[in-house]
Amino acid sequence: AQTVTQSQPEMSVQEAETVTLSCTYDTSENNYYLFWYKQPPSRQMILVIRQEAYKQQNATENRFSVNFQKAAKSFSLKISDSQLGDTAMYFCAFMFLNRDDKIIFGKGTRLHILP
Amino acid sequence: DTGVSQNPRHKITKRGQNVTFRCDPISEHNRLYWYRQTLGQGPEFLTYFQNEAQLEKSRLLSDRFSAERPKGSFSTLEIQRTEQGDSAMYLCASRDRERGNTEAFFGQGTRLTVV
Repeated sequence: AQTVTQSQPEMSVQEAETVTLSCTYDTSENNYYLFWYKQPPSRQMILVIRQEAYKQQNATENRFSVNFQKAAKSFSLKISDSQLGDTAMYFCAFMFLNRDDKIIFGKGTRLHILP
Repeated sequence: DTGVSQNPRHKITKRGQNVTFRCDPISEHNRLYWYRQTLGQGPEFLTYFQNEAQLEKSRLLSDRFSAERPKGSFSTLEIQRTEQGDSAMYLCASRDRERGNTEAFFGQGTRLTVV
């Protein structure tokens, strides 16, 4: 079974700093997607960034970028110039590219951006 | 379209009672997912649908849980004979798999408290 591991339960950084959230996963398949979802306090979960496993180039969305290391099964999220609105739970997630495409989430990292 | 809608937002019930939650996905989204999330944890997969067909039910889910998606539109999740351990946030998400969209859109969840 696929597993997603986030080893940092909680992190705090000062506003405007850069922070990296770690994620590792386990699968024997080759075709899948990886995601980072954000869940702000008392608000619904939204997609931050996604990466297709067959693409070598790391995905980037404005201040958010990933470091995808397929051989190491590592998928970290870097947030540059962090803002107070980045305070949230961040979940790393995995999904196959076939019929069995349920989304598997890690336990999350609670990120605090300090003023 | 206002996104994924879940009702009720909060539910308090006595142990042993049955409860039913409703999820209205984004229209034309054929994939619909149910997750359970306890405080400080990641979403745990419960079940998912392709239109009206239930594709998979988590092996961790007891027989007290059942879900339906009649006509492939809204979905209901029923918990029979609730237990205190059922207290959690129940999340629904939908995705437009037909168009190859990988992003899942989440509702705000239904928070269940069993007393």
